[in-house]
Amino acid sequence: DSGVTQTPKHLITATGQRVTLRCSPRSGDLSVYWYQQSLDQGLQFLIQYYNGEERAKGNILERFSAQQFPDLHSELNLSSLELGDSALYFCASSLAGGEQFFGPGTRLTVL
Amino acid sequence: QKEVEQDPGPLSVPEGAIVSLNCTYSNSAFQYFMWYRQYSRKGPELLMYTYSSGNKEDGRFTAQVDKSSKYISLFIRDSQPSDSATYLCAISRNQGGKLIFGQGTELSVKP
Repeated sequence: DSGVTQTPKHLITATGQRVTLRCSPRSGDLSVYWYQQSLDQGLQFLIQYYNGEERAKGNILERFSAQQFPDLHSELNLSSLELGDSALYFCASSLAGGEQFFGPGTRLTVL
Repeated sequence: QKEVEQDPGPLSVPEGAIVSLNCTYSNSAFQYFMWYRQYSRKGPELLMYTYSSGNKEDGRFTAQVDKSSKYISLFIRDSQPSDSATYLCAISRNQGGKLIFGQGTELSVKP
């Protein structure tokens, strides 16, 4: 157990809908990262927050957004969902840089 | 050209064998190197984290970095069936920065 928690474990929804994925980092970790894992693209970086502020962005779609709250938990919002958004979404956390520890992931299925 | 290349396998070995997993990367700006293990559809688990050329050992695992060749390796000694998983290499330009992952190598250790 990495200490990073993610909810929900599974999400099944329809095209055009909006969902929110939640991540709680390890105790004391200030950085939160979001990654998407699909069969064709592998594991890809989406976005990073550090102590509430956006630190770095990857190839994150405009339909996707994220935020980190004062208690350091983070949410990833996915809107206008398409079939191709079906993937595993992982959150990782680190203290102040360095090793990133991953959560168990949220499996999103868009029908 | 991908920033990091990894042979997807699959790789099948008998129990007790020494396993060698490898990645190459394209840019000498990458300074931090990691190996993760991922069991089917689970969160990646950090195995090794290095930032310099040379070897780093942890139990049955040895990570090797050759920055001059842009080549990283993970060796597993006395492999066990429980080592059967996908192994992902990851690289980063800076400490705490986004991770760029290889495609992963699927390893199967047969009893």
